[in-house]
Amino acid sequence: GQQVMQIPQYQHVQEGEDFTTYCNSSTTLSNIQWYKQRPGGHPVFLIQLVKSGEVKKQKRLTFQFGEAKKNSSLHITATQTTDVGTYFCAGGQAGTALIFGKGTTLSVSS
Amino acid sequence: EAGVAQSPRYKIIEKRQSVAFWCNPISGHATLYWYQQILGQGPKLLIQFQNNGVVDDSQLPKDRFSAERLKGVDSTLKIQPAKLEDSAVYLCASSLEAPSGRETQYFGPGTRLLVL
Repeated sequence: GQQVMQIPQYQHVQEGEDFTTYCNSSTTLSNIQWYKQRPGGHPVFLIQLVKSGEVKKQKRLTFQFGEAKKNSSLHITATQTTDVGTYFCAGGQAGTALIFGKGTTLSVSS
Repeated sequence: EAGVAQSPRYKIIEKRQSVAFWCNPISGHATLYWYQQILGQGPKLLIQFQNNGVVDDSQLPKDRFSAERLKGVDSTLKIQPAKLEDSAVYLCASSLEAPSGRETQYFGPGTRLLVL
């Protein structure tokens, strides 16, 4: 069945450094969504990418969807302590439920 | 706008006991999901409803788990009997959109279950 894999599993950075997490699907996706879960919290929707090669930005966050629609990345520029949490990608195919990756947990030290 | 409500927030039970979780989705959201999130993993879909009908329950362990959404609004998820491996956070989510694989989901705070 469809699998969604994320790397790295954990990442620690110093405040101000950049951070990137990668998401890969075993099958072609119709869309990919990104969620953020703060420690002890619940997943919160960040963004959805639909088009091949799509790039979207939210302030310091840049999201990309691969040309083959099988991979995606989230890049955070100049991390802040407020960026701490686990970032999940979730892959979707038409008519099927989203499949969540295991997430990348980001820690930031000041 | 009120978010997705869940109760209880925490539950500790012994194995072989029964437990039930309740979820009230955002008003007007037709689609409701129950997820299981084991520590260190992403949410795993257990069951998905559209109004009061089941859309996908392929990953629900039906020998011990059951869920219902009788009036198409709030929902309950039950485990009977519980096993140690059921210890997890049970997340409820809802969406305004019909199930398509593209809908934005809004998650509740979750119920943390510990089975001893």
